[in-house]
Amino acid sequence: GAVVSQHPSWVICKSGTSVKIECRSLDFQATTMFWYRQFPKQSLMLMATSNEGSKATYEQGVEKDKFLINHASLTLSTLTVTSAHPEDSSFYICSARDVDTQYFGPGTRLTVL
Amino acid sequence: AQSVAQPEDQVNVAEGNPLTVKCTYSVSGNPYLFWYVQYPNRGLQFLLKYITGDNLVKGSYGFEAEFNKSQTSFHLKKPSALVSDSALYFCAVRPVTGLSFGAGTTVTVRA
Repeated sequence: GAVVSQHPSWVICKSGTSVKIECRSLDFQATTMFWYRQFPKQSLMLMATSNEGSKATYEQGVEKDKFLINHASLTLSTLTVTSAHPEDSSFYICSARDVDTQYFGPGTRLTVL
Repeated sequence: AQSVAQPEDQVNVAEGNPLTVKCTYSVSGNPYLFWYVQYPNRGLQFLLKYITGDNLVKGSYGFEAEFNKSQTSFHLKKPSALVSDSALYFCAVRPVTGLSFGAGTTVTVRA
């Protein structure tokens, strides 16, 4: 149980385009999901908390207009990277909270050319 | 602020030997502590957690961790390491929301 999926697993896009990443909890409902970013050989940094039916809460320094988060259902949260630039290239990982434990998706490798 | 520290960037052990990955925490109040493992280019897999109760917590894949309040530690242990345990291990604490991660410890188990 407690499986979280992400789609796509990797994406390459041109600078200036937008990319949408989906995060789904497959066997449980999650009112709260989280989006993290991980740079090579580094730890995970929390970007935002996604709450079903309400606005996301962004961590300090994360541009909410650039990283759009939508949590329209209890099993789906999406992260859209708008007007992507090469510095947005990273590994993006989502998680969904089931009671008191977060379960993580497999991650999405974004490369912006 | 609630945080965890992993003092070792790397841990190397021989297969069959005990494995310990260290974690210390700094929190106010009762800590919610977690261990996750990450394989290359993959997400994180949940190993175990301490919320309350017994100080010795048993988790997945034969791992366990001991919550030590006096030493503010939550070290991950496995009595007999396997080559397949080679991965990146993260200790984490849950503040109000999200998780705050340690820097990670790369474990290499040699055959």
